[in-house]
Amino acid sequence: GAVVSQHPSWVICKSGTSVKIECRSLDFQATTMFWYRQFPKQSLMLMATSNEGSKATYEQGVEKDKFLINHASLTLSTLTVTSAHPEDSSFYICSVSPGAGNQPQHFGDGTRLSIL
Amino acid sequence: AQSVSQHNHHVILSEAASLELGCNYSYGGTVNLFWYVQYPGQHLQLLLKYFSGDPLVKGIKGFEAEFIKSKFSFNLRKPSVQWSDTAEYFCAVRHYYGGSQGNLIFGKGTKLSVKP
Repeated sequence: GAVVSQHPSWVICKSGTSVKIECRSLDFQATTMFWYRQFPKQSLMLMATSNEGSKATYEQGVEKDKFLINHASLTLSTLTVTSAHPEDSSFYICSVSPGAGNQPQHFGDGTRLSIL
Repeated sequence: AQSVSQHNHHVILSEAASLELGCNYSYGGTVNLFWYVQYPGQHLQLLLKYFSGDPLVKGIKGFEAEFIKSKFSFNLRKPSVQWSDTAEYFCAVRHYYGGSQGNLIFGKGTKLSVKP
């Protein structure tokens, strides 16, 4: 069964609106969640690492004021794309890690964001 | 910057043909290696992983991969593919720096199409 639940799966909205994407860890408490962005025919690019109870760690080139991440509980992280524009259209995927040590990450189904 | 290269963008095979997908990474230190599979419309799923020990790793659905440290490679193989193996395959590498775990870095993916 699914380990990670991501919602919504597809969003279409007008330019200038803000969009919130939720990521829930279903099977375990996740102190760390990851947010990726995937362009067509390209690799998954890590945007940020979300840490429960503290500020997210953003990768170089990712605007933290544009992509707001909140990890308020051990099972929920949210990514809010603020004032979205067409260039923000992409596939956003969250991932959770069971914790320290050699563990594989589990991935959500992804959210396809289309900004008109 | 660390990188992961997947040599083939799109592979087309007939059923029962053998499969080998190439993956090379750039880091020479301690690594964890993964192959993920993404079936159409589904989330990324772990196919197999290498942490240490036997460099020949068996995964689900008859897949295997061999870690060759001298070649910085972790190629995925399957002796006889099925139509149901049609999917996109991602190689991923996680590096360790001085005992600290790095981020998971993905290759661009290889799309496999199996003709019935």
